[in-house]
Amino acid sequence: AQKVTQAQTEISVVEKEDVTLDCVYETRDTTYYLFWYKQPPSGELVFLIRRNSFDEQNEISGRYSWNFQKSTSSFNFTITASQVVDSAVYFCARRGAGSYQLTFGKGTKLSVIP
Amino acid sequence: DTGVSQDPRHKITKRGQNVTFRCDPISEHNRLYWYRQTLGQGPEFLTYFQNEAQLEKSRLLSDRFSAERPKGSFSTLEIQRTEQGDSAMYLCASSLGTSNTGELFFGEGSRLTVL
Repeated sequence: AQKVTQAQTEISVVEKEDVTLDCVYETRDTTYYLFWYKQPPSGELVFLIRRNSFDEQNEISGRYSWNFQKSTSSFNFTITASQVVDSAVYFCARRGAGSYQLTFGKGTKLSVIP
Repeated sequence: DTGVSQDPRHKITKRGQNVTFRCDPISEHNRLYWYRQTLGQGPEFLTYFQNEAQLEKSRLLSDRFSAERPKGSFSTLEIQRTEQGDSAMYLCASSLGTSNTGELFFGEGSRLTVL
């Protein structure tokens, strides 16, 4: 199986601190897609971003930024100036080009303390 | 509310009973997915439909599991002869085939507890 590894099980930060969530993936595909999803306490997974394997440009969206490095098979996610509402479980996932199956990591539980 | 809806939200059953979950996707979405999530784990893919055709099935989907999407709209996931190991959250998601983000829209899930 082509795994997605999120080594950080739980992270706690104080509000306004920056935090980076790590994601390392395995793939045998030439073309693949990487995703981040957020799962707040309500349970509903919310899409944050998709990156294509052929596009290593980093992306920033408000307080969120993503660093994609094919050389290290990593797709890390940084939240700048964290807020209490960022508290959730964050999942990294990958999908090969020939499949619609998402493979998720085990998730990182982020707690932002006021 | 026009999101993905799942029913029931919670189901408690005894081992050996059959259970059925229903998913209503976002109305214009032609793709529908089922995932299973156990405590402390990420969602695991079960199956995928494009319209009414079931195009991908995970090895996790044993012969006790069956999923249908008869008219390409709502879907059902049935588990026969439930086992305690089937206890999990069953998540449904849908997407639009022409979307260039590949975004899946998830429902809130159906939690199954097998006693």
